Amino acid sequence: GENVEQHPSTLSVQEGDSAVIKCTYSDSASNYFPWYKQELGKRPQLIIDIRSNVGEKKDQRIAVTLNKTAKHFSLHITETQPEDSAVYFCAAPHNQAGTALIFGKGTTLSVSS
Amino acid sequence: DGGITQSPKYLFRKEGQNVTLSCEQNLNHDAMYWYRQDPGQGLRLIYYSQIVNDFQKGDIAEGYSVSREKKESFPLTVTSAQKNPTAFYLCASSRTSGGAQYFGPGTRLLVL
Repeated sequence: GENVEQHPSTLSVQEGDSAVIKCTYSDSASNYFPWYKQELGKRPQLIIDIRSNVGEKKDQRIAVTLNKTAKHFSLHITETQPEDSAVYFCAAPHNQAGTALIFGKGTTLSVSS
Repeated sequence: DGGITQSPKYLFRKEGQNVTLSCEQNLNHDAMYWYRQDPGQGLRLIYYSQIVNDFQKGDIAEGYSVSREKKESFPLTVTSAQKNPTAFYLCASSRTSGGAQYFGPGTRLLVL
């Protein structure tokens, strides 16, 4: 089945810097890769996703890139702000459980002003 | 994701007790899921349901049970067989074709 590894587990940046979080997956058949943002005590919120037929997708200050050959995808946040501080999770199709997802262990992003 | 609700927000379980967590959605999604979240870990799949009256075990189903009698509802029961139930439980839903999943606000289960 699919396996998702996420790095780093913690990331601290200064306000205005860029942040990059990387995930690798194992199943070459996986075709959908979402990113979620979770604030303390809250539900995960979908912030951006990408399908395997595109290599990059942008939405204002966030972007996701996908390298199918290397089986990794990354979240890029530019011009970070304190409100970007949260835990970020990547995910991929579980592939052995219908349309369920399998999640990375999360990256805690801290943006200091 | 405002179309998914979970209750209660906090739940306390006594030893040997079964407790049921509620999940309701009005997004007209066929697929629904239960995930468990522990500190420092990602979300782990407990059960999933692709369609009404059908559900399957996920990666950590032992000590849990579910039902899917209505499209809108997917309750999770934490049985006394689950020896370490303290966690944040998240329900989600999506279209049967997969893609974006939307989460409820979660239920935090604590053991007395």
